[in-house]
Parts: sequence; C-alpha cells; structure tokens
Amino acid sequence: EVQLVQSGGGLVQPGGSLRLSCAASGFNFNGYAFFWVRQAPGRALEYVSTIGIDGLTKDYANSVKGRFSISRDNSENTLYLHMGSLRADDTAIYYCARDDTGSWYGGIPNWGQGTQVTVSS
Amino acid sequence: SYDLTQPSSVSVSSGETASITCSGDGLGAKYVSWYQQRPGQSPLLVIYQDNKRPSGIPERFSGSNSGTTATLTIRGTQAIDEADYSCQAWDSSTALVFGGGTKLAVL
Repeated sequence: EVQLVQSGGGLVQPGGSLRLSCAASGFNFNGYAFFWVRQAPGRALEYVSTIGIDGLTKDYANSVKGRFSISRDNSENTLYLHMGSLRADDTAIYYCARDDTGSWYGGIPNWGQGTQVTVSS
Repeated sequence: SYDLTQPSSVSVSSGETASITCSGDGLGAKYVSWYQQRPGQSPLLVIYQDNKRPSGIPERFSGSNSGTTATLTIRGTQAIDEADYSCQAWDSSTALVFGGGTKLAVL
C-alpha cells in the first residue's frame, strides 16, 4: 500500500523558516517524482513545487520561487520542503503527492495527509 | 498563467443528479481530473483522464470534457457526496493547475 506520511508543520513567525517532511513507504521511492501542493483557508489547491526522480530537476510556483526549496533523500525515502522568508499568505495546509500524472493522464491518486503551516506573529 | 473557473457552490436534492462545471481556454485539449475533498481530509481522486474512475469510486460519478468546459456528474446524489470538488487540468508540458473548487450541498 502506498503511504505518504507528513510531518514538520506548525506555527512560525513572519520571516521564519520551516522544513516539511514526507516519508514514503509501500513503493519504490526512487522511481517517482513528487509534488508539494498547498491549500490556504477557503482557497483552491495550489501547486507549490515538483522534484524529479534524479533530485536535480526542480520547479517552483512563482509565489514561492527563491524562498522555498524542494529536496529528496532516496536513502531515507523522504521528500522535503524547506520554506524560508515565510509570509502570512504562506499559511495553508501543505500536501505532498506522488507524481503519477504520466500514467494517470494527469490524475494524482496518492496524497499525504497534509500538514498545517501557520505564519503569524 | 492558465485559469480554471468553477462555480463556488452547487445544490442538489438527495437522489437527484448534480453537475459541476469547470471552464478554461482550450480545456478540451487537456486531460481533466476531479477531486473530492471532505473537511479535514486530503483530496480524493474521483475522475481522471476526463471520464475514468479509479478503483473504488462509485459508478454514479462520471465526467466529460469538450471545448472549453469539463463537467463532473453525480447521479443519484447521496448525503455522503456532500464535499468540495476541484477540477485539475493537465498536459505534459504544464504544471498542475487546479480550479477554485465547488462546494456541493445535498439537500
């Protein structure tokens, strides 16, 4: 069974940093790319970032470019999102997701449980 | 950037058919997925590749996509279908794009 278990959210002051983790199990972690997607209160799902199988191919939404960094540790089967220079509008639930878009024609069937990030003084 | 437009809310009587639309330029040329999201839960894929259902999704869920509009249809709507529904457009050259979400109320 595919499992994506997230950790690392919480309350942080504006300008602060936080690292989110997404521990994967039940499949060959090395063989997949991954996404981070967030959802602010009452708002739509929003793409944040993606990382390729090689760990070198990365992409970011304009809203987080230069502040967030995605990475992966294939030896630990874990995906990370390093968030810096946090702002109030980064407050959201953050989801990790396995990139199955190629085989599911864009669909994403596997998501983490989500982790709350609140940026407030 | 590419935008997808959904109605903010749709109401349907229990047992009737609910239709939720998703509009975007040239949407028919992309693949559309639909997600159900109950409060406090992660998105659940209910339709992919315009009209395919993942294993475990009831047959009452169906989808279509043509021109500039995709539609999620729920036949014989039940109380458990009350949730937020979001569309997502995809082609191999663009990042993930989601619609604004539609709150489905089952009366």
